[in-house]
Amino acid sequence: AQTVTQSQPEMSVQEAETVTLSCTYDTSESNYYLFWYKQPPSRQMILVIRQEAYKQQNATENRFSVNFQKAAKSFSLKISDSQLGDTAMYFCAFMKGGTASKLTFGTGTRLQVTL
Amino acid sequence: GAVVSQHPSRVICKSGTSVKIECRSLDFQATTMFWYRQFPKQSLMLMATSNEGSKATYEQGVEKDKFLINHASLTLSTLTVTSAHPEDSSFYICSASGQLYEQYFGPGTRLTVT
Repeated sequence: AQTVTQSQPEMSVQEAETVTLSCTYDTSESNYYLFWYKQPPSRQMILVIRQEAYKQQNATENRFSVNFQKAAKSFSLKISDSQLGDTAMYFCAFMKGGTASKLTFGTGTRLQVTL
Repeated sequence: GAVVSQHPSRVICKSGTSVKIECRSLDFQATTMFWYRQFPKQSLMLMATSNEGSKATYEQGVEKDKFLINHASLTLSTLTVTSAHPEDSSFYICSASGQLYEQYFGPGTRLTVT
């Protein structure tokens, strides 16, 4: 069974600053995907970024980037130039390779962006 | 991007009654749909996985006779909470998966059982 651990229940960052959210996972699978999802107060789950485990290059999406350390089973999310709209719960998630596999979520990190 | 809808967005029902929640993939065919439950300030917990035309696979600890899942078509899955009780009050989220691995989430349904 896979486990996903997010050790930071809450984080705070000032607008325009950079923040890093941590995530570690445990698996015996060799083919898998990792995701960061954002859940704002509306509670709609929004995909922030994805990483295929077979890719060595870290994924980036505009202000969002990951630091994927496969050997260490670490998958942190860096948010640059933080904006007030980034305030949300952030969930790290693991999916085994193959189609239509289930997602295993971490406990989440509540991020507050302040003025 | 792929769009998934849920209906209703919120529902209040009396204890002992049943309530049905619909999950629809609007612009793609979803071979697999997933149902999650989320309590306040907690993470999403997978309840069951449903494949079109076959029985759902329930996660350990989820009562399949209480949470009935039907995936009758490639665009519709339903979750029926039978004989609802106050402890069933929660936020229910569905997601749908098409040909590739990515899941697309619905906006969720807030169920309150009085």
